[in-house]
Amino acid sequence: QVQLVQSGAEVKRPGSSVKVSCKASGGSFNRDALIWVRQVPGQGLDWMGGIIPKFSKTNYAQKFQDRLTITTDASATTLYMELSSLRSDDTAVYYCATGGALIPADWYFDIWGRGTLVSVSS
Amino acid sequence: QSVLTQPPSVSGAPGQRVTLSCTGNSSNIGGGYDVHWYQHLPGTAPKLLIYRDSFRPSGVPDRVSGSKSGTSASLAITGLQAEDEADYYCQSYDYRLRASVFGGGTRLTVL
Repeated sequence: QVQLVQSGAEVKRPGSSVKVSCKASGGSFNRDALIWVRQVPGQGLDWMGGIIPKFSKTNYAQKFQDRLTITTDASATTLYMELSSLRSDDTAVYYCATGGALIPADWYFDIWGRGTLVSVSS
Repeated sequence: QSVLTQPPSVSGAPGQRVTLSCTGNSSNIGGGYDVHWYQHLPGTAPKLLIYRDSFRPSGVPDRVSGSKSGTSASLAITGLQAEDEADYYCQSYDYRLRASVFGGGTRLTVL
């Protein structure tokens, strides 16, 4: 079974951008949907958005629409999440996950990364 | 404030049965969209417990079950064990938001 290996912790300044990666161990993801979810300290899981690599089609939560970009590399072995215009309340653990449905309305996720802490502070 | 409402906390004694609720509306659960459940221990990867309302992935014990009716869904855990102490989240799709949504999560405490 594929495992998801995320990049290491990041410390960023307010107003800057961060790009977090999620690599499929052992090769390509070979799954229909890849997503990002975050957890702000003391809060619950927060849906950010996802991508269907087969169609390069993205689906973003409205609150992140203007500053979130989710992509994969050409070989579909690495998933990326870039969040711009960072604020202190973007400090969170960011998780990648993957699942087997092509339609966002059918999405659920059975394989998860272990999370990447992004700290935003001046 | 999530469109899926979960009680902040639930508790039960070892061996007991607990039920965790997830309440939505006509644009998500009530609109017929599937509900999925995850178990999460902070600092670890979330784990899928139930998908498509009531299906268990391999490896999830049959003392865990899911159901859905109207605008609500439930996760039941019988024979409660200390290892069940965790945060539990429901997830569905909301057609007005055109995106997946998580509930606010329920912290399950085993007394």
